[in-house]
Amino acid sequence: QVQLEESGGGVVLPGRSLRLSCAASGFTFRSYAMHWVRQAPGKGLDWVAITSYDGSNNYYADSVKGRFTISRDNSKNMLYLQMDSLRGEDTAVYYCATGGSKSVWYYYYMDVWGKGTTVTVSS
Amino acid sequence: EIVMTQSPATLSVSPGERVTLSCRASQSVSSNLAWYQQRPGQAPRLLIYGASARATGIPARFSGSGSGTEFTLTISSLQSEDFAVYYCQQYSNWPRTFGQGTKLEIK
Repeated sequence: QVQLEESGGGVVLPGRSLRLSCAASGFTFRSYAMHWVRQAPGKGLDWVAITSYDGSNNYYADSVKGRFTISRDNSKNMLYLQMDSLRGEDTAVYYCATGGSKSVWYYYYMDVWGKGTTVTVSS
Repeated sequence: EIVMTQSPATLSVSPGERVTLSCRASQSVSSNLAWYQQRPGQAPRLLIYGASARATGIPARFSGSGSGTEFTLTISSLQSEDFAVYYCQQYSNWPRTFGQGTKLEIK
């Protein structure tokens, strides 16, 4: 079955960097777009970024554009989120989620979600 | 960006009742609308996509309807495991946006 496992979260100082990882298994990873979605403590869901199945197209929320970079390694079935210039408002649980396959990824929902990894930005 | 507005924010209901949750988009999203359920301490789970199609393994008591800017999620007979937070989300435009959520609590 489809499994997603996030890692890399932790406590980080404001202005520093962190890289999150998402290990995928149980499906043909290279054929599917992938999302990052976050949830601040006690708040709702907040979409962060998407990468297309081959990594050639990426979209970001305005709040992270220029600071976060989504990427993937299809040879390793891994998704990444490089987070730079972190701020207190980036404190959240970060989830990776599957998107659509090659022909439908542009208009597609978040299908399967991982359990999340927690990022705390604090001095 | 498209703003998604859910109502009500909280709904107190009894097991066995029928409930309807609403979601409104600030502009048309066609049928590119999904609903997710999030139980306490868990990741979100896809319930409905395409405004009305149930995801794999979702019980028939969950149904979705609507198109354009107005959408509803109906749970025909609430079970104990349905008390959770429900989010709508549009996937018509970038950035993808979620509603603020509706929390179903036990009356």
